Amino acid sequence: DAKTTQPPSMDCAEGRAANLPCNHSTISGNEYVYWYRQIHSQGPQYIIHGLKNNETNEMASLIITEDRKSSTLILPHATLRDTAVYYCIVHLNRDDKIIFGKGTRLHILP
Amino acid sequence: EPEVTQTPSHQVTQMGQEVILRCVPISNHLYFYWYRQILGQKVEFLVSFYNNEISEKSEIFDDQFSVERPDGSNFTLKIRSTKLEDSAMYFCASKFVPGQSSYEQYFGPGTRLTVT
Repeated sequence: DAKTTQPPSMDCAEGRAANLPCNHSTISGNEYVYWYRQIHSQGPQYIIHGLKNNETNEMASLIITEDRKSSTLILPHATLRDTAVYYCIVHLNRDDKIIFGKGTRLHILP
Repeated sequence: EPEVTQTPSHQVTQMGQEVILRCVPISNHLYFYWYRQILGQKVEFLVSFYNNEISEKSEIFDDQFSVERPDGSNFTLKIRSTKLEDSAMYFCASKFVPGQSSYEQYFGPGTRLTVT
């Protein structure tokens, strides 16, 4: 089973920042936090990952709490194309498979 | 930007027939995967493949399933005798790893398999 807890759905207004929370209270010291998303009927898409420090790339920012028990994915200026299911996944880098949970269904509202 | 491709996009087959789903991973990637997603359900891991052999498989991946990398570019999933419950979206994925600082997987667009 997935080691993370995410809200089943969230709404965000277009143009605003979307903040998606994830709890991973049992994360171990060498496990990374990865975020993927799945736009309707498409293959999952990698967004960002991190270990301890906050990370930012062209798609999003990842904020990991100091105790590493939770994190937040931030889409700074959400657009309608960001409507998708967002998956927070915890695993060791050497782990082969991804175990997907149910994720958060993000609706961007016009 | 390189991407994983899959063919066909949609496959309809009769129960009991064999199907082969094809994938072309990103060219310098070394690890290959198949996942499936039954309509309305979670994405589920099927099998991982490295160095021309299966490295891990799930309980779903029984004797009816097999994988092959026949020519160094294609990566195929074969279902020998399809069942109604094999109807799902099948995703291929790949990743690189050696000397790489991150281990993200890149997914193809999927093949929708419908078993009638």
